[in-house]
Amino acid sequence: NAGVTQTPKFQVLKTGQSMTLQCAQDMNHEYMSWYRQDPGMGLRLIHYSVGAGITDQGEVPNGYNVSRSTTEDFPLRLLSAAPSQTSVYFCASSYTRQGRGSGANVLTFGAGSRLTVL
Amino acid sequence: GESVGLHLPTLSVQEGDNSIINCAYSNSASDYFIWYKQESGKGPQFIIDIRSNMDKRQGQRVTVLLNKTVKHLSLQIAATQPGDSAVYFCAENLGDYKLSFGAGTTVTVRA
Repeated sequence: NAGVTQTPKFQVLKTGQSMTLQCAQDMNHEYMSWYRQDPGMGLRLIHYSVGAGITDQGEVPNGYNVSRSTTEDFPLRLLSAAPSQTSVYFCASSYTRQGRGSGANVLTFGAGSRLTVL
Repeated sequence: GESVGLHLPTLSVQEGDNSIINCAYSNSASDYFIWYKQESGKGPQFIIDIRSNMDKRQGQRVTVLLNKTVKHLSLQIAATQPGDSAVYFCAENLGDYKLSFGAGTTVTVRA
């Protein structure tokens, strides 16, 4: 079982460049999400999806786009990279929607993608 | 806004001792909490969870305690081992498909 696979693991961009962080899961999870992790700030939700064709914004969505054309894939796009987007990005998935009080809310995380924007 | 946070950013513990990692939350409506462990260079991994209708839940070498009166959550690790060295996050399920994470506590185990 591969779980959640993220590519690339490392990436360096120049300001203004665009790129896509890939995320794929093989667990048939409905829910997928992207977080960014910055020193001393924990993980912050960027975008999430509760199923194919459905996406929504999280806490820090500006500068990022997502799409969910299949259950397995949830790419994160940076249209015009900025130094403030230097971070470690994590993709995560779970079986069902993130409703209250449900054990199915436990997320499975990928290994992360470290992005540096110069 | 309301958020989940951890009391201390770092914790140093002697191998074999018990570790206690604390977390304070401010959203009194939260009814589900999760602890994650993140080892260096890896994504967070689920450790244990607890619902608000419980005060305590035990796993293998780990116990989570929930005190709703003071809005406090703790993770206890028994007989701490070198492999327990990691960053530990508490997370609060806010509903509406959102999980709020604290800033994390870095646990270092001394041999």
